[in-house]
Amino acid sequence: QVQLVQSGAEVKKPGASVKVSCKASGYTFTSYAMHWVRQAPGQRLEWMGWINAGNGNTKYSQKFQGRVTITRDTSASTAYMELSSLRSEDTAVYYCARVCTGGVCYFGDAFDIWGQGTMVTVSS
Amino acid sequence: SYELTQPPSVSVSPGQTARITCSGDALPKQYAYWYQQKPGQAPVLVIYKDSERPSGIPERFSGSSSGTTVTLTISGVQAEDEADYYCQSADSSAVVFGGGTKLTVL
Repeated sequence: QVQLVQSGAEVKKPGASVKVSCKASGYTFTSYAMHWVRQAPGQRLEWMGWINAGNGNTKYSQKFQGRVTITRDTSASTAYMELSSLRSEDTAVYYCARVCTGGVCYFGDAFDIWGQGTMVTVSS
Repeated sequence: SYELTQPPSVSVSPGQTARITCSGDALPKQYAYWYQQKPGQAPVLVIYKDSERPSGIPERFSGSSSGTTVTLTISGVQAEDEADYYCQSADSSAVVFGGGTKLTVL
């Protein structure tokens, strides 16, 4: 079945970087974009950016521009999100979610499948 | 980018109808999407393109749009519908989520 499986929880010190992976299965990886959304404890969903898995083009939220890098490995059907210069406010659950970009996009621009989330804790 | 505004909370008794609104200036031009999120779980798409319902989502969930406001309606609310609900839209530069609405089933 279609699923996104993310890497495990991380604990990082302030100033460090974290790289979270999102492995896709059950669909054509390059026909979708992969977005990254985070949620701090008790807070709203916050969009970070996305990568077109087909051509590798990326777009980032202005808030994270310069600190976030989203990449993909088509041979492994895996997307990655790296966040640098971590601070305590970056403590959150990080989700990947796919959006259709190729062929008939039945759900439009909806995030129709989500990963299970990766908890990133930033603490000294 | 723009903002999407939701009420922080809505409370209803079982069997009643819950309506959750989402307002934003870009909504007349862009589709809205709705997600349900239960504690400790990833969000789940419940409405796409303003009013379409994915397969597997109960018929009691519906969506509508009027001007700058979209509305998620849950008819005959059940205890299992208690969750946070987020609206979402996008323009050419960014994806935006509303602040979320906590639905409490009394």
